[in-house]
Amino acid sequence: GQNIDQPTEMTATEGAIVQINCTYQTSGFNGLFWYQQHAGEAPTFLSYNVLDGLEEKGRFSSFLSRSKGYSYLLLKELQMKDSASYLCAVRKPYSGAGSYQLTFGKGTKLSVIP
Amino acid sequence: GAGVSQSPSNKVTEKGKDVELRCDPISGHTALYWYRQSLGQGLEFLIYFQGNSAPDKSGLPSDRFSAERTGGSVSTLTIQRTQQEDSAVYLCASSLSGQDNYGYTFGSGTRLTVV
Repeated sequence: GQNIDQPTEMTATEGAIVQINCTYQTSGFNGLFWYQQHAGEAPTFLSYNVLDGLEEKGRFSSFLSRSKGYSYLLLKELQMKDSASYLCAVRKPYSGAGSYQLTFGKGTKLSVIP
Repeated sequence: GAGVSQSPSNKVTEKGKDVELRCDPISGHTALYWYRQSLGQGLEFLIYFQGNSAPDKSGLPSDRFSAERTGGSVSTLTIQRTQQEDSAVYLCASSLSGQDNYGYTFGSGTRLTVV
């Protein structure tokens, strides 16, 4: 089965750094994705990790430890526009007639306050 | 098109009626997914298309739900005899092949409310 856990809500201050954790227990692993979703809008791709380590992309970084089933998304120099939900998703390996579907966590709602 | 387009953006229907939700993926994307997002829940996988065939329908919650894709492009998700528990945002996503390292591109969704 697939189980992905992330905190429901977080609050952080403008200009600060916030780390959003994601733990997963899945039957098979072929990459971990982070998406950002503003209220009422489509999720948009932020990052992809398939090997252990840190991937940095501007103000956003994502870390993966496959042995621990753990990832985090790090947001630096927070801006008010970063207030959104952040979704962690794990991709299963392709399996015959199956698909490359992503299994999503419930998302972490981040509120950035002045 | 430039992005994934879904219509309608909002749909209110009476319990027991049938509804059709449309998804127009990015041109050239062979993989198409339907997901459902209920309040307080994560995105729930419904069905996957590769071209016009649906090799993975494992997420469809009941036989009231069906989907098709024609011409390797537009997809329609049909819900028959809608129930209140079907109220959710239905999201469509597409990707070039399914194994892309940027995941999917999502549409803005159809918010379905069953009253």
